[in-house]
Formats: sequence, C-alpha cells, structure tokens
Amino acid sequence: TQLLEQSPQFLSIQEGENLTVYCNSSSVFSSLQWYRQEPGEGPVLLVTVVTGGEVKKLKRLTFQFGDARKDSSLHITAAQPGDTGLYLCAGVLSGAGSYQLTFGKGTKLSVIP
Amino acid sequence: GAGVSQSPSNKVTEKGKDVELRCDPISGHTALYWYRQSLGQGLEFLIYFQGNSAPDKSGLPSDRFSAERTGGSVSTLTIQRTQQEDSAVYLCASSLGWGVTDTQYFGPGTRLTVL
Repeated sequence: TQLLEQSPQFLSIQEGENLTVYCNSSSVFSSLQWYRQEPGEGPVLLVTVVTGGEVKKLKRLTFQFGDARKDSSLHITAAQPGDTGLYLCAGVLSGAGSYQLTFGKGTKLSVIP
Repeated sequence: GAGVSQSPSNKVTEKGKDVELRCDPISGHTALYWYRQSLGQGLEFLIYFQGNSAPDKSGLPSDRFSAERTGGSVSTLTIQRTQQEDSAVYLCASSLGWGVTDTQYFGPGTRLTVL
C-alpha cells in the first residue's frame, strides 16, 4: 500500500499552461515536502509545509498543505520548459521520527516549448 | 561548497556477487541517509545514521543489506549475494541535523544493475 498517492503520474503540457499536482493520503503527516528531481541527479527540496492549511509560494509555484494534514498540492503557473522534471512529495508521518520521510512515486512533468 | 558525492555512479554486477556503494556527505553534516529508488517506485528509506547514535536500520529489506559510517563521515552500503530485484538507483543524503526543518541534500545516486 502506497501511503502517499501522487496524481497524475505523467503530465505533458504546452509552455505557458497552468498545472496542479496532487499528493493524497489517508494518514496524517506532521510535515510534507516537495522535491524536484532531474535525470541522473538526486531530488532537490523545493518547500516544506508544516501547518494544516498552509500555503507557500516560490515564484510561479504554489504549495498547499491540506487542513487535515493528509494531502498537499503543487500548482505551477505559466509552466516553462525548465520546469520539466520528476516532482516528488514526501512526508513525515505524525508520531514518526522527524527524519523518516515517506515518498510518493512522483509526477513526471514535461513542458513542451 | 561540495555537495554529497557517491561512487561509483554506475555499477553492473552479476547475480550472487557482493557490491559496495560509497557516500561522501557534506562536511559537518551529522545525519546521513540511504534510499533506494526503483523504476516506477518512490524513494524507499533504507537506513539512517545520526552522530554516534545507533543507526536506524528499519528500512533495510533483508539481511543481505548492511551499512556503516566511519568516523561520522563516509558511509558504505554493502549488498551481499545480489539479486536482480536489487537493481535500482541507490541515493545517499545528508543533513546538518535531524529535525523536520533540516534539509536533506541528496547525492546523484549509484545506478546498480544486477544481471
């Protein structure tokens, strides 16, 4: 059973379009993180959200943590080819050690020029 | 400064052989993690080292897997009697501390292929 379900698994869009990636669970997380990974490299942290209902913005990227801390979303406005990559959500289960990250399978995004 | 480095970048081995994968964390980082990323799967936690504390080995999939960290720095992940299902990218990460706000910095990974 996958604790963190990401959707969609694959997304191919035209430059300039908007998109949203979802990360859902039936479990409560004390924090949730979003990473971006490019081929041949390790994941790079984009953001950490820790409070239910929290919204964080990073340029054209908006991250939201659900009120119940069971889900999160990543919204990209006016996607650019440089946004292409694998987006991973990861969370620390409530009550677990703060270092124990549970990862989703990822959303592979392709932005076509 | 230098990031997390891993070696080798690629390793092809025959079923039944032992392999050693190396991780050099960022200098001064006290926490070190190993993960496995299989095709179509998310990252799977394997083991965690924090300072001089006993490591958390709860993610190791079998007793063929072991890891050590010498001098609080370099770590080696050893897989004995490799199986084809061990084929994956093995990622190492390090962080300054172990709190939820401590960023884990990942290395580029070692791609292991077991024939």
